[in-house]
Amino acid sequence: GQNIDQPTEMTATEGAIVQINCTYQTSGFNGLFWYQQHAGEAPTFLSYNVLDGLEEKGRFSSFLSRSKGYSYLLLKELQMKDSASYLCAVRGGTYKYIFGTGTRLKVLA
Amino acid sequence: GAVVSQHPSWVICKSGTSVKIECRSLDFQATTMFWYRQFPKQSLMLMATSNEGSKATYEQGVEKDKFLINHASLTLSTLTVTSAHPEDSSFYICSAREEGSGSSYEQYFGPGTRLTVT
Repeated sequence: GQNIDQPTEMTATEGAIVQINCTYQTSGFNGLFWYQQHAGEAPTFLSYNVLDGLEEKGRFSSFLSRSKGYSYLLLKELQMKDSASYLCAVRGGTYKYIFGTGTRLKVLA
Repeated sequence: GAVVSQHPSWVICKSGTSVKIECRSLDFQATTMFWYRQFPKQSLMLMATSNEGSKATYEQGVEKDKFLINHASLTLSTLTVTSAHPEDSSFYICSAREEGSGSSYEQYFGPGTRLTVT
């Protein structure tokens, strides 16, 4: 079967660093994506990994280990506006996107 | 950048009626569109993959006769929820991949449609 796991909720302080983990088991792999979603809105693209390693994009970085079926999203210098849900998604062998359960991040002042 | 629109953004309907939701790619051609459903505090669940000019591919557990998908052109896909019931109340989101995008990794999401069935 296909399975993507993320922590349900996380809390962090403004200015801090937070790491959101994602583990996956899917039939086929054509890339892993991270999206940010504010309540009542559509997801917005944050990052994409298809090869092992770290991709950095401003305050956001994403890491992938295909052999371990593992990824994380690293958010630095947290801001209040970063409070949102973060969705891990895997594009499978048929190019369908399978989303994880999502992690609700609360940033506290 | 690529823009995907959805119409309506929200709709309230009575139980037993049908509702049509449109998904349009505004500045690109989309061979493939995806329809997702999202219940409160849950993640996106893929309902079906919509391919221009052919039948949609439904995910396991999604009733194809209840959720009718039509992808009549490279810029428009529609989802019709037939004989809607309160349990169909959800946030419906479409996304689109650009025609000829090859290895392009992005799918572009529409803003979503909030359906409430009373």
